[in-house]
Amino acid sequence: DVKVTQSSRYLVKRTGEKVFLECVQDMDHENMFWYRQDPGLGLRLIYFSYDVKMKEKGDIPEGYSVSREKKERFSLILESASTNQTSMYLCASSPSGHQLAYEQYFGPGTRLTVT
Amino acid sequence: AQSVTQLGSHVSVSEGALVLLRCNYSSSVPPYLFWYVQYPNQGLQLLLKYTTGATLVKGINGFEAEFKKSETSFHLTKPSAHMSDAAEYFCAVSEESTLTFGKGTMLLVSP
Repeated sequence: DVKVTQSSRYLVKRTGEKVFLECVQDMDHENMFWYRQDPGLGLRLIYFSYDVKMKEKGDIPEGYSVSREKKERFSLILESASTNQTSMYLCASSPSGHQLAYEQYFGPGTRLTVT
Repeated sequence: AQSVTQLGSHVSVSEGALVLLRCNYSSSVPPYLFWYVQYPNQGLQLLLKYTTGATLVKGINGFEAEFKKSETSFHLTKPSAHMSDAAEYFCAVSEESTLTFGKGTMLLVSP
């Protein structure tokens, strides 16, 4: 069974802290994605990666960075957390390289609260 | 850029009634289309997808969707709602290496 795991289900951090969200997939997928989900706004793409050490900005990259040192792991970094980054963060992966996406497989999500 | 519109942020049905969730998309190329479901406090799970071929696509849990190119629509249906269908549903369209999602429709099922 395919699996995408995220390091935490719930996380509470203080304003200004550096926050790391980790995502691991066991399907040998090339593509990995980070989204944030907010009520009424759906899923918005923050960053994605189609290969190790490669990254592309999504629709809302400001305030975030990413790291992909290994194929199975994709990390989202909040350099200095702010209250407007309180949200649900979803990681996903999909097969294929620089081509049309096949279905994406999602992790369970991390609900981050910044106080 | 492609876009997805889901009509109705909330849809309420009675148990046993027809479920119809609407999705319209804009795309300059033949699209790949997806419906995902999200149960409370969980990630998204694929319900069904259209890539090529037959325009009526069957998915899990009795759901199906029909791709209508002339209407740029991909509406999701289920003949008879169950209480367990209560969840949020997202329509998505493929754009190169990424997916563009609609804002979601919350399905409420009453006894």
